Amino acid sequence: AQSVAQPEDQVNVAEGNPLTVKCTYSVSGNPYLFWYVQYPNRGLQFLLKYITGDNLVKGSYGFEAEFNKSQTSFHLKKPSALVSDSALYFCAVRDPGDFQKLVFGTGTRLLVSP
Amino acid sequence: NAGVMQNPRHLVRRRGQEARLRCSPMKGHSHVYWYRQLPEEGLKFMVYLQKENIIDESGMPKERFSAEFPKEGPSILRIQQVVRGDSAAYFCASSPSTGNNEKLFFGSGTQLSVL
Repeated sequence: AQSVAQPEDQVNVAEGNPLTVKCTYSVSGNPYLFWYVQYPNRGLQFLLKYITGDNLVKGSYGFEAEFNKSQTSFHLKKPSALVSDSALYFCAVRDPGDFQKLVFGTGTRLLVSP
Repeated sequence: NAGVMQNPRHLVRRRGQEARLRCSPMKGHSHVYWYRQLPEEGLKFMVYLQKENIIDESGMPKERFSAEFPKEGPSILRIQQVVRGDSAAYFCASSPSTGNNEKLFFGSGTQLSVL
């Protein structure tokens, strides 16, 4: 069965500094990977996805993610963090053999300080 | 185009009562998913429905929980005889079709509190 792991419960970064939110995955075939963001009292919003092609995927709000097959990772990155980026970030994977389910990680809370 | 609408936003029930959570997918979307988010945990898949059909309910508890998505009207997640452990945020998501690269659109969730 497919799964994702987000090893950090929380990531703290100062505004203007680069940020990385880590995610590793486990699937039986080629993965379909997603990042979502959740602001307080809101539903999840789609940020970006990797299906195939270029390993560096660009998404909304200046975020990007790097797919690394050898390390089975899909880390979320942003060159310069904003205070407004503070939120809960979820990595998700869809197994092509069981594509109807999107499986989420436990989430990483990003706190950007002014 | 309104997004995924869930109601109520907050629902308080006493143990043993029934909880009904509603979800209206985005216009044109015929695929609905329900997820549960427990405190300090990620989202757990519960059930995937298309109009009038349950496609995958592998994440739903076998007892007390049921879901439907009728031909007309919203999708309903029903929890009978609620217990304190059912307290969680329940999110509905929809998509226009199904496929490997299809992203989901989420509602704002229903926060269920069982007293």
